[in-house]
Amino acid sequence: QKEVEQDPGPLSVPEGAIVSLNCTYSNSAFQYFMWYRQYSRKGPELLMYTYSSGNKEDGRFTAQVDKSSKYISLFIRDSQPSDSATYLCAMGAGAGGTSYGKLTFGQGTILTVHP
Amino acid sequence: DTGVSQDPRHKITKRGQNVTFRCDPISEHNRLYWYRQTLGQGPEFLTYFQNEAQLEKSRLLSDRFSAERPKGSFSTLEIQRTEQGDSAMYLCASAGANYGYTFGSGTRLTVV
Repeated sequence: QKEVEQDPGPLSVPEGAIVSLNCTYSNSAFQYFMWYRQYSRKGPELLMYTYSSGNKEDGRFTAQVDKSSKYISLFIRDSQPSDSATYLCAMGAGAGGTSYGKLTFGQGTILTVHP
Repeated sequence: DTGVSQDPRHKITKRGQNVTFRCDPISEHNRLYWYRQTLGQGPEFLTYFQNEAQLEKSRLLSDRFSAERPKGSFSTLEIQRTEQGDSAMYLCASAGANYGYTFGSGTRLTVV
């Protein structure tokens, strides 16, 4: 069983829809939770970062972390065609009390927002 | 600051040949990571440097793989005696004092 499981999708939604992307994990040591967006033939780009449990909002994006359930989510409001990409969750345990160290990624969810 | 630069962007090589990739991180970043990504999967951790010290290596990094970061600046990843299973996107990322990485656009390796 993988440490991080991500809903594989793909997802296809109409423009303006609310999108929900989810990951579950098994490693209790994970404290740092991130969402990355990856366009075709590009490297992943950091979208959201959350430390420990809680919610974080940035424009149309909201990240939620529930450590008790080992479950994280990314919500995209008023989705746009330009949001079409692969979304990757990532998480890390940190090292020496810092956020350093490796990240473990989910397999990614392909999202298509059609006009 | 031009971001993380990787070279080459694409590499096609014959099985059994050696290949070397280069990564130039963001200049003020002291941490540098290598990941491998295959189609339909998320990036998998290979190795990580803080300055010139290689602090962690994945079990995925077999004896055929070696990474260096001389002087704590650019890094190279070498794969010896390439196999078809090495075909993947090799991603480099760098990070500074704060959280989160900045990834490069990757080097796509095809072993034929």
